[in-house]
Order: sequence, then structure tokens, then C-alpha cells
Amino acid sequence: QLQLQESGPGLVKPSETLSLTCTVSGGSISSSSYYWGWIRQPPGKGLEWIGSIYYSGSTYYNPSLKSRVTISVDTSKNQFSLKLSSVTAADTAVYYCASRPAGLPPLYYFDYWGQGTLVTVSS
Amino acid sequence: QSALTQPRSVSGSPGQSVTISCTGTSSDVGGYNYVSWYQQHPGKAPKLMIYDVSKRPSGVPDRFSGSKSGNTASLTISGLQAEDEADYYCCSYAGSYTSVFGTGTKVTVL
Repeated sequence: QLQLQESGPGLVKPSETLSLTCTVSGGSISSSSYYWGWIRQPPGKGLEWIGSIYYSGSTYYNPSLKSRVTISVDTSKNQFSLKLSSVTAADTAVYYCASRPAGLPPLYYFDYWGQGTLVTVSS
Repeated sequence: QSALTQPRSVSGSPGQSVTISCTGTSSDVGGYNYVSWYQQHPGKAPKLMIYDVSKRPSGVPDRFSGSKSGNTASLTISGLQAEDEADYYCCSYAGSYTSVFGTGTKVTVL
């Protein structure tokens, strides 16, 4: 079964770019069987879908974050990444990477999750 | 794209049943049969409990069931157990390949 692990800086300064990587094991990120996504959770608050990517490079973003988000795939390292620009304190959250099965009819649920990584935005 | 509305908390005694509602619009919950539910214990990653409104992944007890009527989806936990105490989130497809989560519900076992 798939295993996902987030990595990246735990502290980012305001106005800078948050960068996180998710390493996938137990399966190939180039597989047509999955979409790869990011979800975040501010401390004490609910979950927010950030966006998803397919191995082909097709990306789908939350409209409220779309202007600041970039998700990409590195097939050589079996990883996918998140970049969130111009961060503020409101972007402080636990960031999760997760997989969503691909198929027909479409499947819209997240079955495997990373453990999450806390990113704090502060000077 | 607004968060789906869930009650802040629900509670029940061991063995009882509790139901959590998840209210959206015709653009998300009401428009598609793509509602999923996640259980989250403190400090842990969410765990998939229900998908496609009412389907259970392998390994999820049949005490957990899901349904939908109009713009509102529901998760019912029957035979409540101590380990069911957790936060629960619904999630729905919202069109244009996007997803939206609910506000979350804390389930307390009395």
C-alpha cells in the first residue's frame, strides 16, 4: 500500500514562499491510478483542500488559493511538491499530502495520507 | 467555494447511535454522489471512513454508515464505542475537479 511523507521547512517568514515535498513509497507517482494532493489544517481548525496533480502534469487548485499555489511532480524522485507564495500568518497550518484514486467513473476521496507537517509563518 | 456546514459537536453514550449532518449546496453535496467522511484523532492524520456517500473502505466497521438527501449528507455511527471519540469531516466534489471539506464535528462518547 502507498505511504506518503511530507518534508520541508517548519518556519517560513511572511511574504516568502512556502515549499513542501511529499515522497511516495509503495507505488509509482507516474501511475495512472492516482491523483496527488495537498490539504491543510490551521491549528484547532478544519481541513482545507489546496489542490491536486495528475502524473501527466494536469493541476487543479482551490479557487481561493489558485493565484498563490503551484503543485508539481518529480517522477525521477517519486515526489510531488507544493509551493505557496506570499504567505501570511493565516497560512500557518499542518500540511498533509494525500492520494486520490483515479478511475472511471471518477473517484473523489482521499485514501492514503501523510502524517502531516506543521508550517509556521512568522518573522 | 464555502466550507460545508457541520454541527460543532455531537455526543452519545456507549452503544447509542449518533448522526452527523453535512449541509452544502446543489453545486457540491446536492449535485454529485461524491461525499466522503474522515475520522481524525488528536494529532493524527485523517482516516477515510465513507466514500461515494455510503460505501465503506475495507477495514472500516459496519457501525459506520452514510447517506444523502438533497443538499445534506449524513454519517451515522451505530453502537457507539469509546474509540469513536474523534473529529469527523465530510468532503464533497464541488465541480471543476475541486473538493470542499466540512467544518468538522467533534464526537464525544459520554
